[in-house]
Amino acid sequence: QVQLRESGPGLVKPSETLSLTCSVSGVSISRYYWGWFRQSPEKGLEWIAYVYYRGSANYNPSLRSRVTTSVDMSKGQFSLNLTSVSAADTAVYFCARDGVQFAFDIWGPGRKVIVSS
Amino acid sequence: QSVLTQPPSVSEAPRQRVTISCSGGSSNIGNNDVNWYQQVPGKAPRLLVFSDTLKPSGVSDRFSASKSGTSASLAISGLQSDDEADYFCAVWDDGLNAYVFGSGTKVTVL
Repeated sequence: QVQLRESGPGLVKPSETLSLTCSVSGVSISRYYWGWFRQSPEKGLEWIAYVYYRGSANYNPSLRSRVTTSVDMSKGQFSLNLTSVSAADTAVYFCARDGVQFAFDIWGPGRKVIVSS
Repeated sequence: QSVLTQPPSVSEAPRQRVTISCSGGSSNIGNNDVNWYQQVPGKAPRLLVFSDTLKPSGVSDRFSASKSGTSASLAISGLQSDDEADYFCAVWDDGLNAYVFGSGTKVTVL
């Protein structure tokens, strides 16, 4: 059974970096592409990034200047860094598996991140 | 404002049918595959439909989807109380170079 779970700080100060990790179990991380998303009442569901174990990634142009991702195959994890955060980055962040061409079929439960001093 | 337009809400009685529309343009729905997600409040989205009309295993036959031109739709027949959720369409947009979601439609079973 494939499972994903997001982890990381639930509170980040403005101007600092938001860092989240998605732990994948039940399947090799090398077999699929993976995605990061966030959801807030103000912006709805928003795609952040699309990553592959070999290091290739595709980012939402609206966030590209602040986003980096990485993959740790040995741990079965992939990570998201979002720099220079503001209150507008407060959201529930999800990681998900791309089952076929941007159809994300398995999701983590989500991690609520609040940006506040 | 999303580039994909969905009605904010639809409601119908149990055992009836509802249809949720998703209107886009030539750079998204008109040129790429549409996916549909169901989300119960407080939970993660669940993939209901991919590649315009296909369903993952485990998705009820009561859900069906279609696409024509720059619009797509999701139909739920035989409405049940556990169909109450938010439903989102999603598709790659060639102009924005981004995967975009509709603003979501809340389905209420009266």
